[in-house]
Amino acid sequence: AQSVTQLGSHVSVSEGALVLLRCNYSSSVPPYLFWYVQYPNQGLQLLLKYTTGATLVKGINGFEAEFKKSETSFHLTKPSAHMSDAAEYFCAVRASGNQFYFGTGTSLTVIP
Amino acid sequence: EAGVTQFPSHSVIEKGQTVTLRCDPISGHDNLYWYRRVMGKEIKFLLHFVKESKQDESGMPNNRFLAERTGGTYSTLKVQPAELEDSGVYFCASSQGTGTRSTDTQYFGPGTRLTVL
Repeated sequence: AQSVTQLGSHVSVSEGALVLLRCNYSSSVPPYLFWYVQYPNQGLQLLLKYTTGATLVKGINGFEAEFKKSETSFHLTKPSAHMSDAAEYFCAVRASGNQFYFGTGTSLTVIP
Repeated sequence: EAGVTQFPSHSVIEKGQTVTLRCDPISGHDNLYWYRRVMGKEIKFLLHFVKESKQDESGMPNNRFLAERTGGTYSTLKVQPAELEDSGVYFCASSQGTGTRSTDTQYFGPGTRLTVL
């Protein structure tokens, strides 16, 4: 069975501080892992994805995530938060088949 | 290139009424997915079309939900009769690749917020 756990439904960081959003997954097969972001009144936008190959994946807007198989984790990071990063972030796993399994989302607040 | 579009953006109906949600995928995408997010919970898979065929409908909650994709282009999701627990945001997504474990990205629409009173 596949599932995703996002620790922390709300995360607040100061502008310029490190952003760390946690994602742990369970999967019976090698997973494909995704991070999506949803800005207010918009659809989910792909930030980055891991399928195979290099375990450190770089995405848009300065975000990156590292696939750690031993820890079943795919945490999302950004070295320096910007006000425009305030949004809701979703981690998703895709294992067998084509459907995605999402976490419950993490709302990021950036404090000026 | 136009993204995935959904209509309406919001719908407020009373319990027992019928509502139809529409999704227009990205042109040329054979795969179309419906998901739902109940407030505060995770986004959950409902079903997957490949062209006009239902590939996987394991996530459909019950027989009050009917999805169609005539002609393999846009899709509709009808809820009849609607119940209070059907409230949530319904997302549609599309992707290009076919076959199991395609690495293709799913592109999501903005969602339809359904409120059942």
